[in-house]
Amino acid sequence: DGGITQSPKYLFRKEGQNVTLSCEQNLNHDAMYWYRQDPGQGLRLIYYSQIVNDFQKGDIAEGYSVSREKKESFPLTVTSAQKNPTAFYLCASAMGWLATNEQFFGPGTRLTVL
Amino acid sequence: AQSVTQLDSQVPVFEEAPVELRCNYSSSVSVYLFWYVQYPNQGLQLLLKYLSGSTLVKGINGFEAEFNKSQTSFHLRKPSVHISDTAEYFCAVSDRTTDSWGKFQFGAGTQVVVTP
Repeated sequence: DGGITQSPKYLFRKEGQNVTLSCEQNLNHDAMYWYRQDPGQGLRLIYYSQIVNDFQKGDIAEGYSVSREKKESFPLTVTSAQKNPTAFYLCASAMGWLATNEQFFGPGTRLTVL
Repeated sequence: AQSVTQLDSQVPVFEEAPVELRCNYSSSVSVYLFWYVQYPNQGLQLLLKYLSGSTLVKGINGFEAEFNKSQTSFHLRKPSVHISDTAEYFCAVSDRTTDSWGKFQFGAGTQVVVTP
């Protein structure tokens, strides 16, 4: 059953801690994306990757880092430098990086900073 | 660069009534347009997309949208809604310039609340 999985579903972090959100896909997609969703603001792009071992900053990359060592995996680390990390995080993938390709989304991780 | 405006943050509608969600975009180049739906605490699911050809696009769950280039709009419609259509709806645009390939710009979303 192909799809995108994100874990954990809920994550709690203390201030000053780094946390890593997992994103895995078995769709054999080349492109992967991380978005942040806040109420009333829609989705904002954090990082994206068009191919293994390559990734680009999106619109709000500060305080975040990613890696793309395997095609199926694109983990996101929220560092202590991110000033307001409480949000809903969505991972997506697409067959390729062409603008015509729809993006498929995972179920999301809700991060709360205590 | 492109931007997307969803004109209504919330749309209340009665069951079996029609609904229209408005989406306007701005871009200096040709664009591709998408509508996604998000149910509570879930990811987004594609409803429909416009790439080229007929300006009236039909999607899943009885939704359709019309691309109007002169008005730079891509409004979503459904003639008769169900309780299960209660969700948040996002309009998204991507453009054909090389440095934007594969990058979507999302609107702020429209929350649809269907009541009996």
